[in-house]
Amino acid sequence: DSGVTQTPKHLITATGQRVTLRCSPRSGDLSVYWYQQSLDQGLQFLIQYYNGEERAKGNILERFSAQQFPDLHSELNLSSLELGDSALYFCASSGGDFYGYTFGSGTRLTVV
Amino acid sequence: DQQVKQNSPSLSVQEGRISILNCDYTNSMFDYFLWYKKYPAEGPTFLISISSIKDKNEDGRFTVFLNKSAKHLSLHIVPSQPGDSAVYFCAASEGFGNEKLTFGTGTRLTIIP
Repeated sequence: DSGVTQTPKHLITATGQRVTLRCSPRSGDLSVYWYQQSLDQGLQFLIQYYNGEERAKGNILERFSAQQFPDLHSELNLSSLELGDSALYFCASSGGDFYGYTFGSGTRLTVV
Repeated sequence: DQQVKQNSPSLSVQEGRISILNCDYTNSMFDYFLWYKKYPAEGPTFLISISSIKDKNEDGRFTVFLNKSAKHLSLHIVPSQPGDSAVYFCAASEGFGNEKLTFGTGTRLTIIP
């Protein structure tokens, strides 16, 4: 157990729908990151939050949004889902001294 | 634009031998590099890192080498063990403290008993 909790582990939904992925960071970590891994692709950076504030943004689609709540958990909202959004979505967290992320085990999203 | 490249999708190595995984990058602003290891159905786990002020960092059986002029880094595993079979991702950031990581596509390492 890495200490980063992602729910749900698996999600199957239809095109056009909206889903919410949830992440609880490791205790004490203020930064949360979201990454997307599509088939045969590396992990693509989506967005970073630090202590509730957006800190960095990657190639995140406008249909996607995220937030970090006062208790530091984060949610990634994906709307108007398309088949191409099927992927593994990873959340990671880090503390004040960055030596690398701690990743959760991911949410596998399948859009049918 | 793939700024971090792992050109070998897979690698098979005999148990006990050396495994060498390679990674190239194009962004000259990258100066902190990391390797992550990923087992199926798990998230990536941090393995080892290196700052651009060094050309080598060692941790037990794992050594990372950095060649800044060639924009190349490699991960050496000696000796290789069956538990090392996993997908290995190379990642880079623009400075320690710049926490956005750019990942390569990964190399699947298989250790043959």
